[in-house]
Amino acid sequence: DVKVTQSSRYLVKRTGEKVFLECVQDMDHENMFWYRQDPGLGLRLIYFSYDVKMKEKGDIPEGYSVSREKKERFSLILESASTNQTSMYLCASRSSGSLLTGELFFGEGSRLTVL
Amino acid sequence: AQSVTQLDSHVSVSEGTPVLLRCNYSSSYSPSLFWYVQHPNKGLQLLLKYTSAATLVKGINGFEAEFKKSETSFHLTKPSAHMSDAAEYFCVVIYSSASKIIFGSGTRLSIRP
Repeated sequence: DVKVTQSSRYLVKRTGEKVFLECVQDMDHENMFWYRQDPGLGLRLIYFSYDVKMKEKGDIPEGYSVSREKKERFSLILESASTNQTSMYLCASRSSGSLLTGELFFGEGSRLTVL
Repeated sequence: AQSVTQLDSHVSVSEGTPVLLRCNYSSSYSPSLFWYVQHPNKGLQLLLKYTSAATLVKGINGFEAEFKKSETSFHLTKPSAHMSDAAEYFCVVIYSSASKIIFGSGTRLSIRP
């Protein structure tokens, strides 16, 4: 069974802390994505990566950075967490072999609360 | 601009009655269309997808959707709702011109006993 695994389902952090959200996929997908999901705002793209060490900003990259050192792993980093980053974070992956037709595979999500 | 619109933010139906969740997209040559379901505190799971083959697409859990190019619609239906169908549903479009993935704002489906 194909899988996207997010390392932490629930996290509670304090303002100013550095936060790492890890995502691992076992499908050998080139493309990986980080979204945040907030009530009334839907899913918003933070960053995506189309290959190892390659990344592009999404719609809301401010306050976030990413790392993709290995093909299967895509990390989202909050350098200094703030309360407005309290949200559900969703990781997804997708094959680049079919850019038009290939679906996204999602992890279970990481719910982050920043106090 | 390329967009996708889910016409209802919330739909409530009785158990055993039909479900209709509406999705319209902006006109474009050969978009790919997807429906995802999200149960509370879970990730998104693919229900079905249309990629220019048959216009009536069958998915998991008894759901299906029909691609209607003339109406630029891709509505999701199920003949008989089950309590376990209560969730948030997202219509997603990929346009060939940009290969950008666009999410609808979601429709919350509630099922009354």
